[in-house]
Amino acid sequence: NAGVTQTPKFQVLKTGQSMTLQCAQDMNHNSMYWYRQDPGMGLRLIYYSASEGTTDKGEVPNGYNVSRLNKREFSLRLESAAPSQTSVYFCASSAVRWGNWNTIYFGEGSWLTVV
Amino acid sequence: GEDVEQSLFLSVREGDSSVINCTYTDSSSTYLYWYKQEPGAGLQLLTYIFSNMDMKQDQRLTVLLNKKDKHLSLRIADTQTGDSAIYFCASADTGKLIFGQGTTLQVKP
Repeated sequence: NAGVTQTPKFQVLKTGQSMTLQCAQDMNHNSMYWYRQDPGMGLRLIYYSASEGTTDKGEVPNGYNVSRLNKREFSLRLESAAPSQTSVYFCASSAVRWGNWNTIYFGEGSWLTVV
Repeated sequence: GEDVEQSLFLSVREGDSSVINCTYTDSSSTYLYWYKQEPGAGLQLLTYIFSNMDMKQDQRLTVLLNKKDKHLSLRIADTQTGDSAIYFCASADTGKLIFGQGTTLQVKP
C-alpha cells in the first residue's frame, strides 16, 4: 500500500542547477499539493492542483514550477536552484479539495540542499 | 492572510499529560487538524475537529476548540516516550491547509 511516493529522498544541488521532484499517488485522489518545511515555519504551500489539468500558486511559488502530468503524478521543478530553496519538500494528496480534509495524505519528504 | 500560531517546544515527564496549544486567525475554517511528525518522516494525521464541535476525544487524545477565542488544544493523556515528535496544528481554508510552526514535544523518562 504505497500511498504517496516521492523521489528522490535526498538531493544536493549546486546553485543554478535544475532538478525535478517527482510525486505519485495510488489512491485515485483528485487533488495534489507541494509543501516545503523549514525550521520554525511549519509547512508552507508552494503549488497545488485541485484536479488533473489544473495548477494554482500557493503561499511561496517563486522559483518553482509544477506539472500535473496525469491524475497520479504531480512534479515540482526548480529551474535554477538557490540556497534559499534548501528545505524539506512534501507532496500530499487528497480525495477532494473542498470540505473533506481528513483524507489528506503526505509523502515521506524529500531533503534538498543547495550549496 | 490566514495565520496559525503554536508554541515551539514542550517538555513533559513520561506518564504526565501534555497539552499543546494553537491559535488561528481564520474564522471561516471548517476543519482544524492535528498532525504528528516523527524524525525523518512525513506527517501523520492524528485527529481533526469540525468547527461546530467543542471537544473530540479519541483514546488518549482530546481536542478542545474555543471558536470564540480561535484557540485549539491537543491533550495527550499518559504521555509516552513514543509520543516524542513535532505536532502541527492546521486550519483548513478554502481548499488548502495552513500549518502552524509545529510544537516539538520532548518526553523525559
